[in-house]
Amino acid sequence: GAVVSQHPSWVICKSGTSVKIECRSLDFQATTMFWYRQFPKQSLMLMATSNEGSKATYEQGVEKDKFLINHASLTLSTLTVTSAHPEDSSFYICSARDLDGGPAYGYTFGSGTRLTVV
Amino acid sequence: AQTVTQSQPEMSVQEAETVTLSCTYDTSESDYYLFWYKQPPSRQMILVIRQEAYKQQNATENRFSVNFQKAAKSFSLKISDSQLGDAAMYFCALVGNQFYFGTGTSLTVIP
Repeated sequence: GAVVSQHPSWVICKSGTSVKIECRSLDFQATTMFWYRQFPKQSLMLMATSNEGSKATYEQGVEKDKFLINHASLTLSTLTVTSAHPEDSSFYICSARDLDGGPAYGYTFGSGTRLTVV
Repeated sequence: AQTVTQSQPEMSVQEAETVTLSCTYDTSESDYYLFWYKQPPSRQMILVIRQEAYKQQNATENRFSVNFQKAAKSFSLKISDSQLGDAAMYFCALVGNQFYFGTGTSLTVIP
């Protein structure tokens, strides 16, 4: 089945530094990937939709200059948290849909990245 | 606007018993898909079951089945013969052009 690899699984960084999270579809091509943020015991909140070869679409309230998204190929999307602050600490999850699968097949999720900013 | 509502923040079930998780939704789209995802403590999102809205027949995957009532916009998940490994957070989701998740139901399985 479709597999999405997300790295790193956890990262600790100092306040003011930047952190890059990778989301890679291993056995399928994904023109669209999604980035979510999840707080403890809460649902997934869509941050942005990443489109291969074009600019990402951000949800209302999400700072595009802080959360930089790049989708340079059909198998890789990256989320960079710039100038991270403790309030950016959270669990970040990506998901992708198989190019040929269509919505009926659902979306495959990465295993998530736990970011802690100290 | 599209919304997904899960009115049960927490549920518990005895091992080997049956439990039903509720989900209601609202959408203006005529073509959409509904999903139940499971998120265990590892936090990996795992697809449990999917339902195409145009299909009247309720989806079934082994011990998991849904009761899809399109007119009532209801999409409940039934877990039969509950196992300890079923303990997790369960999210109902509606898919149009993007995912819309419910707030989740935390399921505890009591040995």
